[in-house]
Amino acid sequence: TQLLEQSPQFLSIQEGENLTVYCNSSSVFSSLQWYRQEPGEGPVLLVTVVTGGEVKKLKRLTFQFGDARKDSSLHITAAQTGDTGLYLCAGAKNSGGYQKVTFGIGTKLQVIP
Amino acid sequence: DSGVTQTPKHLITATGQRVTLRCSPRSGDLSVYWYQQSLDQGLQFLIHYYNGEERAKGNILERFSAQQFPDLHSELNLSSLELGDSALYFCASRPDLGQYYGYTFGSGTRLTVV
Repeated sequence: TQLLEQSPQFLSIQEGENLTVYCNSSSVFSSLQWYRQEPGEGPVLLVTVVTGGEVKKLKRLTFQFGDARKDSSLHITAAQTGDTGLYLCAGAKNSGGYQKVTFGIGTKLQVIP
Repeated sequence: DSGVTQTPKHLITATGQRVTLRCSPRSGDLSVYWYQQSLDQGLQFLIHYYNGEERAKGNILERFSAQQFPDLHSELNLSSLELGDSALYFCASRPDLGQYYGYTFGSGTRLTVV
């Protein structure tokens, strides 16, 4: 069982469409990150959210942290082929004075021209 | 270029063999983390070193070991390799042990055990 559940696992959409992917957990996190990973490369950090209810925007990407800091969403407006990739969320929580980070399994997004 | 350097990019080896993966963290970062990524398990944390000392262990097998050297580069040693060890291995770094705001990942080593 994954501590962080991401949905959907796969998503194929046409260029120009909007989409939302989700990252859910029963645990409270001190911070949550979203990464994008392209084939053959390592994950690249997109954003960190730390406050419940926080909304951050990165061009056409909107990230929201849930009020209870247990979940997050990523909304992409007018998707482009360059948005294709694996989107990973990661949650950090303090465990015995150590920041333990857990990754979700990811949402694989394909944007078709 | 993320600033985190991993070598080699690809590695093909036979079962029972031993390999060493190398990572140089981003300049100024003291922490190095090793992760394994497979299709069905996602990114799994293996081990964390901070300034030469082991700080935390995750799902790391006894056949695997790591170390961080005085120049802060790190090596992950995988021995008695099995087919199931085939995966992408990533190294990540961050500056310190304070509030976690995210990692900088290297581009990974793809290990294929045949």
